[in-house]
Amino acid sequence: DIQMTQSPSSLSASVGDRVTVTCRASQSISSYLNWYQQKPGKAPKLLIYSASSLQSGVPSRFSGSGSGTDFTLSISSLQPEDLATYFCQQSYSTPLTFGGGTKVQIK
Amino acid sequence: QVQLQESGPGLVKPSQTLSLTCTVSGGSISSGGYSWSWVRQHPGKGLEWIGYIYNTGSTYYIPSLKNRVTISVDTSKNQFSLKLSSMTAADTAVYFCARVYVDYFDYWGQGILVTVSS
Repeated sequence: DIQMTQSPSSLSASVGDRVTVTCRASQSISSYLNWYQQKPGKAPKLLIYSASSLQSGVPSRFSGSGSGTDFTLSISSLQPEDLATYFCQQSYSTPLTFGGGTKVQIK
Repeated sequence: QVQLQESGPGLVKPSQTLSLTCTVSGGSISSGGYSWSWVRQHPGKGLEWIGYIYNTGSTYYIPSLKNRVTISVDTSKNQFSLKLSSMTAADTAVYFCARVYVDYFDYWGQGILVTVSS
């Protein structure tokens, strides 16, 4: 199985800050990497697919980059509604696996 | 707008079989190009993919659950289902159904908390 490791596990930032979350795969997964946002008590929501493609309806402050084993999710200007846990997920091979999550808090 | 809704018991006794159903609206479960998945989340933890089914009936289950899990589809009702046998406390989790498009989960149900307790 491909292991997905996210860092940090949590972070606290101020409104307007640029926030970066990192995801590392245990082997190369090309660009088969997706990002999800999960707000408390809600289902995950797709933000980014194929490492850098923005899902329809997702604000442009979210962006993704990377390929191979190292990937990043960036929020260019953190907003109060971005309080959530963010998960990466590899779709290179089955079983599909998720990272452990990064909890983003607002200072 | 595609919507998914899980239904089933919120409480299951140890050793029993969990049966959950996901009802799909706003689109046909028979449409090509999609698979239909179950994902679970243990309390306060990350996400664990359980498996998927295509409208052809083809399935994949994760190895750790393969001996206990069955995913089926009922195209006449636009539903797909999860059965997980021999439930233990370790199976207590929120269970989500989701649609997979290409290789990502694009629509999710709201989730249903299933607690295993006598």
